[in-house]
Amino acid sequence: GENVEQHPSTLSVQEGDSAVIKCTYSDSASNYFPWYKQELGKGPQLIIDIRSNVGEKKDQRIAVTLNKTAKHFSLHITETQPEDSAVYFCAASFSGSARQLTFGSGTQLTVLP
Amino acid sequence: GAVVSQHPSWVICKSGTSVKIECRSLDFQATTMFWYRQFPKQSLMLMATSNEGSKATYEQGVEKDKFLINHASLTLSTLTVTSAHPEDSSFYICSARDFRQGRTGELFFGEGSRLTVL
Repeated sequence: GENVEQHPSTLSVQEGDSAVIKCTYSDSASNYFPWYKQELGKGPQLIIDIRSNVGEKKDQRIAVTLNKTAKHFSLHITETQPEDSAVYFCAASFSGSARQLTFGSGTQLTVLP
Repeated sequence: GAVVSQHPSWVICKSGTSVKIECRSLDFQATTMFWYRQFPKQSLMLMATSNEGSKATYEQGVEKDKFLINHASLTLSTLTVTSAHPEDSSFYICSARDFRQGRTGELFFGEGSRLTVL
């Protein structure tokens, strides 16, 4: 089955700096890679996703890149703000499967004011 | 994005009692919903896949008699923790995939339900 590794487990940045979180996956058949933000005591919120037919996707301050050859994908947050502080999870799946996403272990991002 | 709602958001119960958690897809129909359990500072652990009109599919190691799942309609799945014990205390989260026209099955989560068993 799929295995997703996520790094780092914790990340602290100064407000205004950029943050990068990286994930690797094992199953070359995976073609859908979402990122979720989870605030304390709440359910995960989908913030951006990418499919294997593109290499990069951007939505305002958030971007995701995908390297299919190396089987890794990354989340980039620019101009970080304190409200970006949360746990971020990456995930991977084969979109044609009814099976669930395989999640990474999560990254606690802290944006220092 | 799509809206998935859970209720209650938190519940405290005595050991030995049963607790029901509801998961609703508010603006779309979901033939399949998923239930997760999350321990503090850990990732999401898939417990079971809830299938509308049929039996749920449980992940290895999850007791189906302990965690009863019912998916009686296209917008509602329920998780019942039976004879709850303190070790069942956790954060339970449901999710559903949005396959409406123009969407591609993105997974949306409910707000989560914090269960504390005394």
